[in-house]
Amino acid sequence: GAVVSQHPSRVICKSGTSVKIECRSLDFQATTMFWYRQFPKQSLMLMATSNEGSKATYEQGVEKDKFLINHASLTLSTLTVTSAHPEDSSFYICSATGTVSDTQYFGPGTRLTVL
Amino acid sequence: SQELEQSPQSLIVQEGKNLTINCTSSKTLYGLYWYKQKYGEGLIFLMMLQKGGEEKSHEKITAKLDEKKQQSSLHITASQPSHAGIYLCGADIKSQGNLIFGKGTKLSVKP
Repeated sequence: GAVVSQHPSRVICKSGTSVKIECRSLDFQATTMFWYRQFPKQSLMLMATSNEGSKATYEQGVEKDKFLINHASLTLSTLTVTSAHPEDSSFYICSATGTVSDTQYFGPGTRLTVL
Repeated sequence: SQELEQSPQSLIVQEGKNLTINCTSSKTLYGLYWYKQKYGEGLIFLMMLQKGGEEKSHEKITAKLDEKKQQSSLHITASQPSHAGIYLCGADIKSQGNLIFGKGTKLSVKP
């Protein structure tokens, strides 16, 4: 079955630094990737939708200059949290859909902790 | 307002008992996904339903999507401690691929 990986699975960084999270589709071409954020005890919140080769579409309230998304290839999308602050600490999850079906495959998530 | 209502919010059952979790939308669901999350871990995909009336089973877990494609239920038969976790439904309501999620149901199974 389709597999989506995320790296790193956990990251701890100091306030003010930038962190890059990678989302890869391992055995299919992901034309669209989604980035979600999960707050404690809450459901997932869609942050942005990215299509390969084009600019990401951000949801209302999500700062595009803070959460940089790049979808440079059909198998890789990256989310960079710039100038991270403790309130950015969260669980970030990506998902991907391919060209064959609409099924959305989720990555295992990345736990970000900003000190 | 929450477009995807999930109930109950939490559930405590005795081992061996059956249970049902519901996921309801006021809009047509183009795709309904059920996930399980163990604390601190990523989501585990359980099942996806797309057609009205569709039903899928995996081991002791059965998920159904109603004919109107606005409600789904997840049924666990003879629950085990290994079933404990947070169950999350996600739905595509705009047929554009991105999902919205319910708030999750925290399931505890007492031995």
